[in-house]
Amino acid sequence: QAVVTQEPSLTVSPGGTVTLTCASSTGAVTSGHYPNWFQQKPGQAPRALIYSTTNKQSWTPARFSGSLLGGKAALTLSGVQPEDEADYYCLLYYGDARVFGGGTRLTVL
Amino acid sequence: QVQLQESGPGLVKPSQTLSLTCTVSGDSISSGDYHWSWIRQHPGKGLEWIGYIYYSGSTYYNPSLKSRVTISADRSKNQFSLNLSSVTVADTAVYYCAREWLILDYWGQGALVTVSS
Repeated sequence: QAVVTQEPSLTVSPGGTVTLTCASSTGAVTSGHYPNWFQQKPGQAPRALIYSTTNKQSWTPARFSGSLLGGKAALTLSGVQPEDEADYYCLLYYGDARVFGGGTRLTVL
Repeated sequence: QVQLQESGPGLVKPSQTLSLTCTVSGDSISSGDYHWSWIRQHPGKGLEWIGYIYYSGSTYYNPSLKSRVTISADRSKNQFSLNLSSVTVADTAVYYCAREWLILDYWGQGALVTVSS
């Protein structure tokens, strides 16, 4: 089974920009992996942010964007707000299987 | 508004079978192109995808759990269920159900299941 790797933790200042990445042990991440991104705050279920690399849910703030970057899936937050402090997970599709990344804890400081 | 709600025992003894049900409202598990999925999260850890049942009834499971997992559906009740056999303490986790079509867009609130004697 593939392993999906994310940065364990990142820190960003309010108003700043940060990029989280999602790598696959099988090689470059492509649109065929339909990269998904989720946000999870303590005590809550994950919330879907991005699907199929770049597409936003209706509730996803405009400051969140998805892309492919250097063979990885990427989630960029521009103009970070204090409420963006959370755990972020990517999910990649491998045919019928899905594999989550280990998550990135984002601290806004 | 689509809503999902997990239910089932919060405590299971080792070697027994963990059984959870997800009740769906605001959508039909028999319609559309959705996968109805189970995901778990060990305490303080990341998310682990368990598997899904398709609206057609076909299933697919995480290979690491495949030998112990069964996902089924009761269309008359608009519910789908997870059975995980031969549990150990390592199966202690919050179990989530979710709807998926290219994205796990709607999730239940999660159900904590503790495996302990």
